[in-house]
Amino acid sequence: AQSVTQLDSQVPVFEEAPVELRCNYSSSVSVYLFWYVQYPNQGLQLLLKYLSGSTLVKGINGFEAEFNKSQTSFHLRKPSVHISDTAEYFCAVSRAETGGFKTIFGAGTRLFVKA
Amino acid sequence: SQTIHQWPATLVQPVGSPLSLECTVEGTSNPNLYWYRQAAGRGLQLLFYSVGIGQISSEVPQNLSASRPQDRQFILSSKKLLLSDSGFYLCAWTQLRGAGGYTFGSGTRLTVV
Repeated sequence: AQSVTQLDSQVPVFEEAPVELRCNYSSSVSVYLFWYVQYPNQGLQLLLKYLSGSTLVKGINGFEAEFNKSQTSFHLRKPSVHISDTAEYFCAVSRAETGGFKTIFGAGTRLFVKA
Repeated sequence: SQTIHQWPATLVQPVGSPLSLECTVEGTSNPNLYWYRQAAGRGLQLLFYSVGIGQISSEVPQNLSASRPQDRQFILSSKKLLLSDSGFYLCAWTQLRGAGGYTFGSGTRLTVV
């Protein structure tokens, strides 16, 4: 069975500080990994994705994530956050199945950036 | 370019009333379509998905139903709303063989009173 665990429900951080949002997954088959961001009362927007190749992937808004197969992790990082990064972040794991993709979302991590 | 439209943005409905939420995709063909619900402070729950016209898969038994009358149209319905149906409803699409992730609509905030 496939599962996704976001280890922190809330992460407060000061502006211009670095941040890491943690995501662990379990799956018996190869998966694709994603991070999405959701601003209040909006839909989710794709931040970045890992499909194959380089384990360090870069996304929009200065975010990056590293796929670690041995630790089954896909943590999201940003070296210096802005107030505008305050949002909820979702890690997701997808695998191919007959007819399409099966995707499981984590419960989300709420990032608060303080001035 | 591909776009996804979802409406209405907000809806307040009394208990027992019907519901119809609509989602349309432009700029692509034969997309996989999805309805998710997000309860306050919680993650996303997959309600329905569709791989083609008239093909609907339900993930969770509930008071809701979905239909796909056209290739790029996905409708979420209920005959009689319950208080527990309140939440933020999101439509999304992805390509069958793609691995680009989901593209989400802007969501519908449903409050059942």
